[in-house]
Amino acid sequence: EDQVTQSPEALRLQEGESSSLNCSYTVSGLRGLFWYRQDPGKGPEFLFTLYSAGEEKEKERLKATLTKKESFLHITAPKPEDSATYLCAAVSSNTGKLIFGQGTTLQVKP
Amino acid sequence: GAGVSQTPSNKVTEKGKYVELRCDPISGHTALYWYRQSLGQGPEFLIYFQGTGAADDSGLPNDRFFAVRPEGSVSTLKIQRTERGDSAVYLCASSLGGRMGETQYFGPGTRLLVL
Repeated sequence: EDQVTQSPEALRLQEGESSSLNCSYTVSGLRGLFWYRQDPGKGPEFLFTLYSAGEEKEKERLKATLTKKESFLHITAPKPEDSATYLCAAVSSNTGKLIFGQGTTLQVKP
Repeated sequence: GAGVSQTPSNKVTEKGKYVELRCDPISGHTALYWYRQSLGQGPEFLIYFQGTGAADDSGLPNDRFFAVRPEGSVSTLKIQRTERGDSAVYLCASSLGGRMGETQYFGPGTRLLVL
């Protein structure tokens, strides 16, 4: 069964304290690994798509990486405005559907 | 350009009532998706439209849920005989062509509360 698991569930950082969020996936024939940011009361906002192991993408303080079993979202020197829930999702060739993890809620304190 | 829009943003109804939730996708996007998100969870797939037809409705929980997209643009999710367990955020997303692995762009969601 296709599955996506994120850890930790919640993460509290001081401003400037770099860290990583983990997304482990078990899907049949990965067709895309997606990262979204979701603010309270809002819909998910697209961040990155990764398609093959070894691929990396960056945007401001965020960098997403992909291996054959997991993806990491690295946050460098975070700011309070980076506080949000980060969702990981995978598409398998088996179903073609976007399967989400439960999210990691990040809080960055000034 | 404009993103995905959803109306209403909030809906409160009583158990047993009928509700309709509307989604207006990004202009030119042929694929449209509905998801349901419970508190503290990631979105769960409900149904996928390619054009006017439902290409995959395997995520609809039961026959009280139905969705249409008659002209290949706006879609309506319809829930009959609502139950308290239907309370959730209903998210709509669209993508350009519906190819597997294509990026989906989400709307702000409709927060449904069934009393």
